[in-house]
Amino acid sequence: DTAVSQTPKYLVTQMGNDKSIKCEQNLGHDTMYWYKQDSKKFLKIMFSYNNKELIINETVPNRFSPKSPDKAHLNLHINSLELGDSAVYFCASSQDPIYNEQFFGPGTRLTVL
Amino acid sequence: DAKTTQPPSMDCAEGRAANLPCNHSTISGNEYVYWYRQIHSQGPQYIIHGLKNNETNEMASLIITEDRKSSTLILPHATLRDTAVYYCIVLNSGGSNYKLTFGKGTLLTVNP
Repeated sequence: DTAVSQTPKYLVTQMGNDKSIKCEQNLGHDTMYWYKQDSKKFLKIMFSYNNKELIINETVPNRFSPKSPDKAHLNLHINSLELGDSAVYFCASSQDPIYNEQFFGPGTRLTVL
Repeated sequence: DAKTTQPPSMDCAEGRAANLPCNHSTISGNEYVYWYRQIHSQGPQYIIHGLKNNETNEMASLIITEDRKSSTLILPHATLRDTAVYYCIVLNSGGSNYKLTFGKGTLLTVNP
């Protein structure tokens, strides 16, 4: 019973392609997040959704578009992939935007060639 | 930009207590201190959080100084599986958007 799951675990693709990463949580949480961890291991928040509404949108290129079809899912679509997008992307969820015990997924390692 | 300062690395012997310090001298009165850890190649894991009082759960204890300018995370009996990067985070309560800002953390290595 994985609380927060992500697919795929690994993604290797060419520059310029469009790809999506999916995230699902079965914890009944209202809030979901996307984080990016680069090669230097810095973990930075990208987006946060609460009840399917965007509440945090950090300075992220508009090639990145999150979509939340329902509270349990938050997908990340990336257009025109660039070399610098190579990173590990983590999805997380929490009960609400204020209570910050966040549960993280296992991560998706994206490699852009 | 993280509001905390942590040593980059620490070592601990297996079975001994691991005490991880964190300075947060600019913390505001309503800001919480959160601790997460990240074991190699895994997603971060919540450990504990506190405001003023010391806190304890099944994983660790959190000791916050009276002036709240620093705190210590204590793993009472460290095991090899506790080897990880430990992040001390002051919750950014700017506006209505609460977000965790991860710094560089402390790499704790538990040695046999």
